[in-house]
Order: sequence, then structure tokens, then C-alpha cells
Amino acid sequence: DTAVSQTPKYLVTQMGNDKSIKCEQNLGHDTMYWYKQDSKKFLKIMFSYNNKELIINETVPNRFSPKSPDKAHLNLHINSLELGDSAVYFCASSHGFGSNQPQHFGDGTRLSIL
Amino acid sequence: RKEVEQDPGPFNVPEGATVAFNCTYSNSASQSFFWYRQDCRKEPKLLMSVYSSGNEDGRFTAQLNRASQYISLLIRDSKLSDSATYLCVVTPYNQGGKLIFGQGTELSVKP
Repeated sequence: DTAVSQTPKYLVTQMGNDKSIKCEQNLGHDTMYWYKQDSKKFLKIMFSYNNKELIINETVPNRFSPKSPDKAHLNLHINSLELGDSAVYFCASSHGFGSNQPQHFGDGTRLSIL
Repeated sequence: RKEVEQDPGPFNVPEGATVAFNCTYSNSASQSFFWYRQDCRKEPKLLMSVYSSGNEDGRFTAQLNRASQYISLLIRDSKLSDSATYLCVVTPYNQGGKLIFGQGTELSVKP
């Protein structure tokens, strides 16, 4: 069974549309994250949640809205998609949000905006 | 200045070579340090944590120098399967466990 799973794996859509990416982890972790990897392969934190509570919100446009219905799920909804949103989005989870906790990543959602 | 800076790549080495990656970080309050590995079109995976005393895992040795804010990774007897991008990662103190990634160094091991 995949530990951190994201759906969809690929997402191709038009500028201006609204889309969601889902993430689920079966590791029993309390903390989940969203990262964005841009075309230059640079990985950057977007959000994190601990037990459904928002912990990190890194100056991401408010078109991006994370939602955590329970501690095993962290979804990402994006409104009014722009060309610059094209990237790979990775979900991750860890046991607690202490700085020494290793994070386990999903295999990414490749978002392409036409 | 980037928070975490790594050697520019790519590194092209023959099988069996020893290769070293360097990394510097700007936040002296950084608390935890890692090397992650990312294969082409795959997710990052934890390779090893880095401790002040230095640590080794098989052919991989990681070192941390807090005074110089410098991290290194040494790979001995490199294998074809070591070809990947190596990411230096730092977590600042008391910032919710967020990982700050370097831009990565690409390694290509040739037969």
C-alpha cells in the first residue's frame, strides 16, 4: 500500500479553471504538508497542517486553499488557475511537526496550465 | 541570498569514484539537517539525517559544521544507481517542521 498517495497524478487544464488535488496518508502521521516544485526544480513549502490545524502558510496566493477534513487527508484547492501555477505539487507527512521529524512524500501531481 | 545553497551540478563521475557534495545554510538557528535524494520525475526521499558528530550509512557519510554553517555528503564507490539529484535540506527552529530545500545537485554516474 502506498504510504502517501496523491490524486490525480497528472492534471492538464485551462487557465482560469478551478481544480483540486487530494492527498491521503496511511502512516498514522499527525502532520501533512504541501510543497511546490517549479520548472527550475526548486522545492518550496506552501502549507502544513497538524491534526487538522493550519501550522504553516507561506505567503501563497489566496487562490490556494488547503483543507484537512481529518489528520489523514490534506487537499489543495486552486481557484482561477494561472500559467505560473504549472508545477509539480508534492504532499508529505510526518509524525508530529518537530524539526527533526523526517517527511515522507507522495509521488507528486504534475499540473499543466494551457 | 538563498537560505540553502548547494554546489552547482551536474557532477559526471565514473563508477567507483568518490564524490563529495557541499551545502551552506544562512540561518544559524537551523535545527535539523538532512540529505534527500530525488530521482528524475519522482518524489524526494530521505537519504539520511545529518548530525553534528558526523554519521555514516554504508557508502554515504554526512558531516555538519555548525560554526561554518556547512553540510557535506560523501559517496564512496559510486554505483550507477546513485545517479539522482541530491537535495540538502534544513529545518529552522520552531517553524512547524518546514523543510527548506537547496536547489539540488545532479549526479550522473557513468559505466
